[in-house]
Amino acid sequence: QQQVKQSPQSLIVQKGGISIINCAYENTAFDYFPWYQQFPGKGPALLIAIRPDVSEKKEGRFTISFNKSAKQFSLHIMDSQPGDSATYFCAASLPGANNLFFGTGTRLTVIP
Amino acid sequence: DAGITQSPRHKVTETGTPVTLRCHQTENHRYMYWYRQDPGHGLRLIHYSYGVKDTDKGEVSDGYSVSRSKTEDFLLTLESATSSQTSVYFCAISDDGPLTNEKLFFGSGTQLSVL
Repeated sequence: QQQVKQSPQSLIVQKGGISIINCAYENTAFDYFPWYQQFPGKGPALLIAIRPDVSEKKEGRFTISFNKSAKQFSLHIMDSQPGDSATYFCAASLPGANNLFFGTGTRLTVIP
Repeated sequence: DAGITQSPRHKVTETGTPVTLRCHQTENHRYMYWYRQDPGHGLRLIHYSYGVKDTDKGEVSDGYSVSRSKTEDFLLTLESATSSQTSVYFCAISDDGPLTNEKLFFGSGTQLSVL
């Protein structure tokens, strides 16, 4: 059973547009929600992360929006660039745990 | 990739044979992890280590064993490989305390095919 549900599976966006990837979870004990970016042939790399005590976190063109009551969080990529083309994974972890529960991934393609 | 080397990068093997994947780090990080990545599942934790000779199971540990005799090396062994273990295997490291998942650094992966 997938602890974190991610959508869409794939996404095509025009250069300069906004990319939005959504994730939902059921376990309200999760307290850490990172997003990882993975390029072909490489391992995932931490992109941005949020804790449930804030509703939004922004780092450059990347923003996480967090809705605690709806148990949902999303990644917004503003002014999307071809270099952003990659697979994005959301994840969640429990306090003090040694595991990240990953979503199934979203393959983003940014068209020039 | 943050001083993490996985070997081999690609391997093809036959059902029933033993396979060992190696992860070597040069960061002197305390925590090391093995994940597998499969379409439709994302990444799932197989085993992790929180120190030399200290290991624990993850969510998909059946059919796998691990060993860590030195800080820098973490080995993943498939005692008798099955086709369901065909996957991309990633090693990850972290140096933090209890909240170790805050800074996970991944290697480049090993593509394993079991025929």
